[in-house]
Amino acid sequence: DGGITQSPKYLFRKEGQNVTLSCEQNLNHDAMYWYRQDPGQGLRLIYYSQIVNDFQKGDIAEGYSVSREKKESFPLTVTSAQKNPTAFYLCASSIGTGPGNTIYFGEGSWLTVV
Amino acid sequence: GQSLEQPSEVTAVEGAIVQINCTYQTSGFYGLSWYQQHDGGAPTFLSYNGLDGLEETGRFSSFLSRSDSYGYLLLQELQMKDSASYFCAGYTGGFKTIFGAGTRLFVKA
Repeated sequence: DGGITQSPKYLFRKEGQNVTLSCEQNLNHDAMYWYRQDPGQGLRLIYYSQIVNDFQKGDIAEGYSVSREKKESFPLTVTSAQKNPTAFYLCASSIGTGPGNTIYFGEGSWLTVV
Repeated sequence: GQSLEQPSEVTAVEGAIVQINCTYQTSGFYGLSWYQQHDGGAPTFLSYNGLDGLEETGRFSSFLSRSDSYGYLLLQELQMKDSASYFCAGYTGGFKTIFGAGTRLFVKA
């Protein structure tokens, strides 16, 4: 079945460590996104990518980095510079970039700093 | 700035009708979408309004008034499984979709 696969589902990070969240899609979508969700809050855009080898900062990009070397893959690295990384991270994709394009989400990754 | 405002919580009884409102403040929203998210799960698309008026999809309907910068999601014949968070989202152009903070719907028996 087509969809978006995120891994790991749960991840614990020590202070000062970088961690990478994986996101793979087999929907053949050009656009991919990373959102952060804090308890009881909405989704905030971290990074997005319209095509391979191109990506743009969202509203809260500080402390995060991404790459888009393949159409189907859009990994997110949470660096030690991100001071409050504990959150639920959602990867998403869409066919196109215009209004009305449905955004499809993965099941999310829970990151906890210990 | 650009933002969407929703009530934080709504409670309704099984079988009833509930309306979740969304107002937005921006100079350039191109349509309004609605997503449903169950606890710990992925948001899923419910509906999209690109033009003013009502869109109906089964038990769910969504409305948009661009002149009022306002929209709503209407859920009819509420079921327990409808208990979830509902997000309105607006496409702002420049390849960005902004989400509201979400409305948590509690359906009681």
